[in-house]
Amino acid sequence: RKEVEQDPGPFNVPEGATVAFNCTYSNSASQSFFWYRQDCRKEPKLLMSVYSSGNEDGRFTAQLNRASQYISLLIRDSKLSDSATYLCVVNLPYNNDMRFGAGTRLTVKP
Amino acid sequence: DGGITQSPKYLFRKEGQNVTLSCEQNLNHDAMYWYRQDPGQGLRLIYYSQIVNDFQKGDIAEGYSVSREKKESFPLTVTSAQKNPTAFYLCASKASGFSYEQYFGPGTRLTVT
Repeated sequence: RKEVEQDPGPFNVPEGATVAFNCTYSNSASQSFFWYRQDCRKEPKLLMSVYSSGNEDGRFTAQLNRASQYISLLIRDSKLSDSATYLCVVNLPYNNDMRFGAGTRLTVKP
Repeated sequence: DGGITQSPKYLFRKEGQNVTLSCEQNLNHDAMYWYRQDPGQGLRLIYYSQIVNDFQKGDIAEGYSVSREKKESFPLTVTSAQKNPTAFYLCASKASGFSYEQYFGPGTRLTVT
């Protein structure tokens, strides 16, 4: 079983749609969680950290479910500029060992 | 400006040659990482280092070597033993502690023919 798994998609949605991504992780002792965004041929950039209580940043909401070992990302009112690959990242319980999911590709269409 | 730099952005080499990719950070981060990304794929960990003069193998370390002689620098050498070296290579750094995120350099695209 992979340490971090994501649905690769692609997700093709119209502008204004709400879309949700899930990510599961295998190590129950994982310490912290993040969502990154990666545009084509660019480096990943932090979208948001995922806190135990859940957190929201504008149109983006991240949730953590430790019991089921998954994190989620919800994007409301999708924009064309949201088209990208979204990467789930988990900090394993070995200090600074960070592991990435394979990414979920989102395309928002007019 | 604080950040991570990688050079060069594009690199072309002939098969059988070793090549070293540069990664420098001025964020005062203890941990540094090298990832490889193939087209349409996720990031795979090659090596990471938590402190100077120490580093650990990731999932795909074969055919690669690293050094960490200075906190700011973590160069990656792609050796001739690496079977399929053509890829996008990303360097990242991170402050110590679980709550901190990674910061990435702009990457180096290596093409070996």
